[in-house]
Amino acid sequence: DAGVIQSPRHEVTEMGQEVTLRCKPISGHDYLFWYRQTMMRGLELLIYFNNNVPIDDSGMPEDRFSAKMPNASFSTLKIQPSEPRDSAVYFCASSRGRGPQHFGDGTRLSIL
Amino acid sequence: AQTVTQSQPEMSVQEAETVTLSCTYDTSESDYYLFWYKQPPSRQMILVIRQEAYKQQNATENRFSVNFQKAAKSFSLKISDSQLGDAAMYFCAYRLQGAQKLVFGQGTRLTINP
Repeated sequence: DAGVIQSPRHEVTEMGQEVTLRCKPISGHDYLFWYRQTMMRGLELLIYFNNNVPIDDSGMPEDRFSAKMPNASFSTLKIQPSEPRDSAVYFCASSRGRGPQHFGDGTRLSIL
Repeated sequence: AQTVTQSQPEMSVQEAETVTLSCTYDTSESDYYLFWYKQPPSRQMILVIRQEAYKQQNATENRFSVNFQKAAKSFSLKISDSQLGDAAMYFCAYRLQGAQKLVFGQGTRLTINP
């Protein structure tokens, strides 16, 4: 079975540019999560969806961050405009109901 | 708010030996789940083992087992017969039953010496 698929794997861009991270959850999973991992703050939940509807976005750091899930097989996390402090590894995860969360390989984002 | 603490930033063990990683958590709830995730250098987060708080029996997955002490709010991971492929960051995580949010510890970096 295919796992959670994230793209790109690495992204390097200049400050002020728009960044879009993509995620395809495991088929049949009804929950999708976006996490950010940094050395200083560890792993933090940014937002999660249930059946494509955002449920909790309290972890989204600023209005520069937005996330969408237009259908059950695709989600995006967008940062506009990007800043150097947004540099981190961003993970997408999915789960079926209250089952364990399965993570993608992450996107390493570097903002210069 | 729930918190998860991993007091060992780094651990090392000789190949084939046993190592135990510590995790404590703070919660006032009685129904929750606990997890250990492994993050190798490839960066992928891999679920190693999970424990339901209502179960008294400690979870086991092959060489991996946990020591769950609910009253002490402790959830340690024991790796038996350590292998080079076990080298990774290990994260302890908590999730309240009925909720979806995972709360992670800061991680323990495990090195396996050949």
